[in-house]
Amino acid sequence: KAGVTQTPRYLIKTRGQQVTLSCSPISGHRSVSWYQQTPGQGLQFLFEYFSETQRNKGNFPGRFSGRQFSNSRSEMNVSTLELGDSALYLCASSTATSNTEAFFGQGTRLTVV
Amino acid sequence: AQTVTQSQPEMSVQEAETVTLSCTYDTSESDYYLFWYKQPPSRQMILVIRQEAYKQQNATENRFSVNFQKAAKSFSLKISDSQLGDAAMYFCAYRAYGGATNKLIFGTGTLLAVQP
Repeated sequence: KAGVTQTPRYLIKTRGQQVTLSCSPISGHRSVSWYQQTPGQGLQFLFEYFSETQRNKGNFPGRFSGRQFSNSRSEMNVSTLELGDSALYLCASSTATSNTEAFFGQGTRLTVV
Repeated sequence: AQTVTQSQPEMSVQEAETVTLSCTYDTSESDYYLFWYKQPPSRQMILVIRQEAYKQQNATENRFSVNFQKAAKSFSLKISDSQLGDAAMYFCAYRAYGGATNKLIFGTGTLLAVQP
């Protein structure tokens, strides 16, 4: 079956702009989590959505937001971009049960100039 | 709060040799999951192996095995017969037990180089 799909793969934006990233989970997976990966901070949890509800949130400013649709696809949005938002954004999908692994997409590389 | 620590930023191993990557974690929970993920240059995170804390037996997956020491909160990864394709960044990760969240807490990673 198809894996986790993230679009776009690469993105260049200007400071102050906003950006929307998309993640399509594996079919049947209802949990989608987002992570930010930077050389300085490593992998940091942004938020998790399950059945269209945010059930966990990391320590990021309110400029970072997300949502999940009824088909489990998820989007994350970053408003008023800052240079420090340049990162690899990874999406992971999981099933509803606890004893399962997370499957990751290939990520979106965001560069803010 | 749970934390995961990887104290080896970089490691190197000769092809066909064995290497062990270290990971320690901190949690007050008795049940949880631990994972090792591999991130090659393609950037996609790939699950290497996982361990349920309530299982005494160390997990193994072909050339990959773990040494899980629950009391010491240690979770090391051993790669046997190292191959060039094993070169990647390796992350240790923790996840709480139960279905309330799938949030993963990652260590800072260990960059493994495999020398031919």
